[in-house]
Amino acid sequence: QVQLQQSGPRLVKPSQTLSLTCAISGDSVSNNGAAWNWIRQSPSRGLEWLGRTFYRSKWFNDYSVSVKSRITINPDTSRNQFSLHLTSVTPEDTAIYYCTRGLFRAVFDWGQGTLVTVSA
Amino acid sequence: DIQMTQSPSTLSASVGDRVTITCRASQSISSWLAWYQQRPGKAPKLLIYQASILGSGVPSRFSGSGSGTEFTLTISGLQPDDFATYYCHQSETYEAWTFGQGTKVEIK
Repeated sequence: QVQLQQSGPRLVKPSQTLSLTCAISGDSVSNNGAAWNWIRQSPSRGLEWLGRTFYRSKWFNDYSVSVKSRITINPDTSRNQFSLHLTSVTPEDTAIYYCTRGLFRAVFDWGQGTLVTVSA
Repeated sequence: DIQMTQSPSTLSASVGDRVTITCRASQSISSWLAWYQQRPGKAPKLLIYQASILGSGVPSRFSGSGSGTEFTLTISGLQPDDFATYYCHQSETYEAWTFGQGTKVEIK
């Protein structure tokens, strides 16, 4: 059974960088068939896919055009985890952030969610 | 981006009812459609993927159908645990996944 455990600050100041980490148990971040996504949810934007990292003989990333200039998702094979970094945040980035495991182009597993508030 | 439109936004039903939720895509997505259930304060949970494949451990009263631009999620015999919000999700465009706005199933 796969478990995803999220960690990171819940309050970020405007213009700063939002950083979250997702620790994986029950699977490997290097799994050739999986993709490791970040998805957020807010009342104004609903569920919004942000991006993914995945391994297919080498590492790849895909990012949503809505955040492409501000986002980085990195795998950490030594710790079996992956991270999200979102720069230059504004109050519009306030949301519940989920790390997820994707298989067969669907989200099979979700982290517990982290409510991140962007406020001075 | 491909737009996903769910209907209805809210649905009132009773235990034992058969319930159908529709999801329409703004362009063809083949069968790259998943359904999730979300209870208040919890993360979404996968119900159906590739339009009609039941997720692991998901009760058989849930079923999905459709292809192209129109899809349905059916709950045959609504149970108390099923009062929740349901979302569709398209993954035809691998770099631009999008979700429907949700359908809340509430007690009549």
